[in-house]
Amino acid sequence: AQSVTQLDSHVSVSEGTPVLLRCNYSSSYSPSLFWYVQHPNKGLQLLLKYTSAATLVKGINGFEAEFKKSETSFHLTKPSAHMSDAAEYFCVVSGWGSQGNLIFGKGTKLSVKP
Amino acid sequence: DVKVTQSSRYLVKRTGEKVFLECVQDMDHENMFWYRQDPGLGLRLIYFSYDVKMKEKGDIPEGYSVSREKKERFSLILESASTNQTSMYLCASSLGAGANSYGYTFGSGTRLTVV
Repeated sequence: AQSVTQLDSHVSVSEGTPVLLRCNYSSSYSPSLFWYVQHPNKGLQLLLKYTSAATLVKGINGFEAEFKKSETSFHLTKPSAHMSDAAEYFCVVSGWGSQGNLIFGKGTKLSVKP
Repeated sequence: DVKVTQSSRYLVKRTGEKVFLECVQDMDHENMFWYRQDPGLGLRLIYFSYDVKMKEKGDIPEGYSVSREKKERFSLILESASTNQTSMYLCASSLGAGANSYGYTFGSGTRLTVV
């Protein structure tokens, strides 16, 4: 079965410093992987997706993620945090269960200090 | 851009009421989904639909039903609302049979409070 684990429930960084949000996945085949962002009281917005092309995926707002098969990881990074990055981030893997529906991690809340 | 519109942003209902949450998408997507989101529990799939008049149970269907009479509209029904159904409800849609490779487009959510 496919699953995804977000290793930190809460990450706090200072504005201008790098962001690292960690995600490990479990899959018996080559998965599709996504990161979504949810700003307070809003729906989820797709940040980026990996679908077996380049292992380094660039998304919106300066975020990127690297697919590492040997480590079963798909960590999200950004070189320099901005106040507007404060939100909750979800790592997502495609699943064969439930007819291929997406499987969501429990989320990482990112706080950005001035 | 694909738009997924949820009819109500905030809703307050009484225990025992029948509640309808409406979701409409405008890009001819085959697949539609209803999730609820609770702190510490992430997103949990309630029901989904791959075509008109088709519905499949997700992980937590108890106490809910759905209706998909038209391709663009997917309704979530709480037959008899209870306080433990107080939550944020998110609707999503996706394109094609390979839904898992495209990702989902989400609505802005409906925050339902049952008193």
